[in-house]
Amino acid sequence: SQTIHQWPATLVQPVGSPLSLECTVEGTSNPNLYWYRQAAGRGLQLLFYSVGIGQISSEVPQNLSASRPQDRQFILSSKKLLLSDSGFYLCAWSVSGGLEQYFGPGTRLTVT
Amino acid sequence: RKEVEQDPGPFNVPEGATVAFNCTYSNSASQSFFWYRQDCRKEPKLLMSVYSSGNEDGRFTAQLNRASQYISLLIRDSKLSDSATYLCAVNSGTYKYIFGTGTRLKVLA
Repeated sequence: SQTIHQWPATLVQPVGSPLSLECTVEGTSNPNLYWYRQAAGRGLQLLFYSVGIGQISSEVPQNLSASRPQDRQFILSSKKLLLSDSGFYLCAWSVSGGLEQYFGPGTRLTVT
Repeated sequence: RKEVEQDPGPFNVPEGATVAFNCTYSNSASQSFFWYRQDCRKEPKLLMSVYSSGNEDGRFTAQLNRASQYISLLIRDSKLSDSATYLCAVNSGTYKYIFGTGTRLKVLA
């Protein structure tokens, strides 16, 4: 069966510090991968999606970036965090060509 | 108008009750629809997919009304464990999903 991992689970970072969140999927090949952010009291906002290694599409212009160095690895980064980057970051995957998305456990980021 | 809208609730219902939520969407070209359940401070979990008129899974029934552009989720015989936030998601393109902000359900003993 497929599983999706995210780490760290929680993170407290000062404004201006860098960020690296990692997501890995097991049990499937060539998945579509997604990064979402859920701010307090708000809906899920799609940040990036990827259909293959090195293929990243950005949905929202911001100070975040994403990379997919391996088939089942998706990384979310920032060079300098802003207070507004606080939120619950969720990675999701779907079968290539499929529509159902499955979410990882998430990383709760607080920028202070 | 938001692309996907949900009544935030909370819907407070007694155990055993039937409750229904709606989710409206603005893009008439939307093809696929999903209901997720999200517990407090946890990730959303896929509950049901709706591709045609509807879907049923045990106590849960999802309906799609394309003419009025909404999907609904009906929960029969509510359990305490059904208390959660229910998110709807609409697929408006191959990779783009729009999520509603969720409807909070509290099932009371």
